[in-house]
Amino acid sequence: EAGVTQFPSHSVIEKGQTVTLRCDPISGHDNLYWYRRVMGKEIKFLLHFVKESKQDESGMPNNRFLAERTGGTYSTLKVQPAELEDSGVYFCASSSGLQETQYFGPGTRLLVL
Amino acid sequence: AQKITQTQPGMFVQEKEAVTLDCTYDTSDPSYGLFWYKQPSSGEMIFLIYQGSYDQQNATEGRYSLNFQKARKSANLVISASQLGDSAMYFCAMREGSTSGTYKYIFGTGTRLKVLA
Repeated sequence: EAGVTQFPSHSVIEKGQTVTLRCDPISGHDNLYWYRRVMGKEIKFLLHFVKESKQDESGMPNNRFLAERTGGTYSTLKVQPAELEDSGVYFCASSSGLQETQYFGPGTRLLVL
Repeated sequence: AQKITQTQPGMFVQEKEAVTLDCTYDTSDPSYGLFWYKQPSSGEMIFLIYQGSYDQQNATEGRYSLNFQKARKSANLVISASQLGDSAMYFCAMREGSTSGTYKYIFGTGTRLKVLA
């Protein structure tokens, strides 16, 4: 069974540009989460989808970040326009149930110059 | 507020020896879950072990065991018979309770383990 996959693995963009990150959860997992780790800090929660609905987006830093999960399968996280402080590793995770173990993808390393 | 503390930024261990990675947590929620993840240099986060707050016995998964001391609020990871492939970053995480239907994970800053040949 394939794990959580994320694309791209790395992205280097200039300040002001737009970047879209993609996450494909484990097949059949209704719950999809986005987390972020900025340099040297803890991994922090961004938001949670149940199928295509946003259950909790309390961790989203600001309105430059837009997450979608059309059709309840893969999810995208768009940053527009990107700022320097958005640099970090963006992780996606999925779980079969709300309290089930979250399985993480390899992350997307974003560098904003 | 809920919090996870990993006080060891880096650790060394000799191959075949055991090593303990420390994790303390803080929560007022009676129901919570504790997790350990391994992140090798390739980047993926690999789930290792889980301990529920109501579990009476310490969790074990192969060479991994979780030394759960509830009164001390600690959930240390013990790796027995270390292997070179155990060299990685290790994260402790806690699943906090929820009123919104979302069970977020709170992470520590991680411990980088290096296994020496």
